[in-house]
Amino acid sequence: ETGVTQTPRHLVMGMTNKKSLKCEQHLGHNAMYWYKQSAKKPLELMFVYSLEERVENNSVPSRFSPECPNSSHLFLHLHTLQPEDSALYLCASSHGTSGGLSTDTQYFGPGTRLTVL
Amino acid sequence: AQKITQTQPGMFVQEKEAVTLDCTYDTSDPSYGLFWYKQPSSGEMIFLIYQGSYDQQNATEGRYSLNFQKARKSANLVISASQLGDSAMYFCAMRETTGGSYIPTFGRGTSLIVHP
Repeated sequence: ETGVTQTPRHLVMGMTNKKSLKCEQHLGHNAMYWYKQSAKKPLELMFVYSLEERVENNSVPSRFSPECPNSSHLFLHLHTLQPEDSALYLCASSHGTSGGLSTDTQYFGPGTRLTVL
Repeated sequence: AQKITQTQPGMFVQEKEAVTLDCTYDTSDPSYGLFWYKQPSSGEMIFLIYQGSYDQQNATEGRYSLNFQKARKSANLVISASQLGDSAMYFCAMRETTGGSYIPTFGRGTSLIVHP
């Protein structure tokens, strides 16, 4: 398996459900990201992890809870979501350095299409 | 103010012709990187090309080239010999280095449709 993988690819859940999105990268990267992409809205950064430590949390509601157990895996735990949370959730990874080099390219997974009923 | 501006919400091009997708950016950081991504309807964001602010030459990757005009703060993507499979959303992004930020900024994207 190469690149960045995400599971599941599609998810339909009710507002009272609890589910988790999984992201795995096989690129030896140190930084991982969660993005939300809603229809007709810009890409929204949700969380950034570097070496398993959260370095950015972009005012995301607490019903989204990230987890990064190691540098290859990233989870997004979902609970009591709202219909407006329906979107494409994209995971990305990059080499990541403490200096934030401008050359640090992100590589994305295929995304999880989430529908909240 | 937006850091990345893509003024063309939609573009159409005939197969085998070249097309230019516009991107302008705003930064006071002397060191930054510019990226273009392609997003087909399947959803995956595919990295296409990178240009560094100190690079003397325009970046090229196969049929993709970046028309980098630093003084104008523009980084337009040129796709030569368009193919039907080029139909997708295209996003311009910038990563600055001030403060060691990990956060790149993305534009709103341009939808490209290639006609046979």
